[in-house]
Amino acid sequence: DVKVTQSSRYLVKRTGEKVFLECVQDMDHENMFWYRQDPGLGLRLIYFSYDVKMKEKGDIPEGYSVSREKKERFSLILESASTNQTSMYLCASSPFGGVYEQYFGPGTRLTVT
Amino acid sequence: GNSVTQMEGPVTLSEEAFLTINCTYTATGYPSLFWYVQYPGEGLQLLLKATKADDKGSNKGFEATYRKETTSFHLEKGSVQVSDSAVYFCALKGSGGSYIPTFGRGTSLIVHP
Repeated sequence: DVKVTQSSRYLVKRTGEKVFLECVQDMDHENMFWYRQDPGLGLRLIYFSYDVKMKEKGDIPEGYSVSREKKERFSLILESASTNQTSMYLCASSPFGGVYEQYFGPGTRLTVT
Repeated sequence: GNSVTQMEGPVTLSEEAFLTINCTYTATGYPSLFWYVQYPGEGLQLLLKATKADDKGSNKGFEATYRKETTSFHLEKGSVQVSDSAVYFCALKGSGGSYIPTFGRGTSLIVHP
């Protein structure tokens, strides 16, 4: 059974803290993605990676960075958390190619106080 | 660029009613089309997909047909159950170049007993 796991389901952090969200996939997929999901706004792409050490900005990269040192792991970093980064964060992976679906993790609900 | 438009929700139905959730898209070439479902507190999971015109995707009683002439991929189910209550996302992946998916904003379905 294919799996995408995220390090935490729920996380509470304080304003200004550095926050790490980790995502691991066991399917040897080339592509990995980080989204945030907010009510009424759907899914918004933060960053994606198509290979180890490769990354591309998505629609809303400001305030975030990413790291992909190994093929199976894709980390999202909030350099200095702010209250407007309170959200649900979803990680996904997929094989390279247009016909393939994405596989999503269960999500991390981050609250910044 | 690519875009996906799906009907706004929530859609509220009684059990055993017929369901249609409309989805139309704009894309160049021959995209692949997907429906994902998100149950409360979970990540998205693939419901069905179609990779070329006139293909019909089906799963768990849900169906959608890839209509290139109307650029549509409407989701249907003949008899919904309470357990179908979820948020449904229509998405596409382009046929060339970047394979970043484009998602609709999601449609919430509420099924009452």
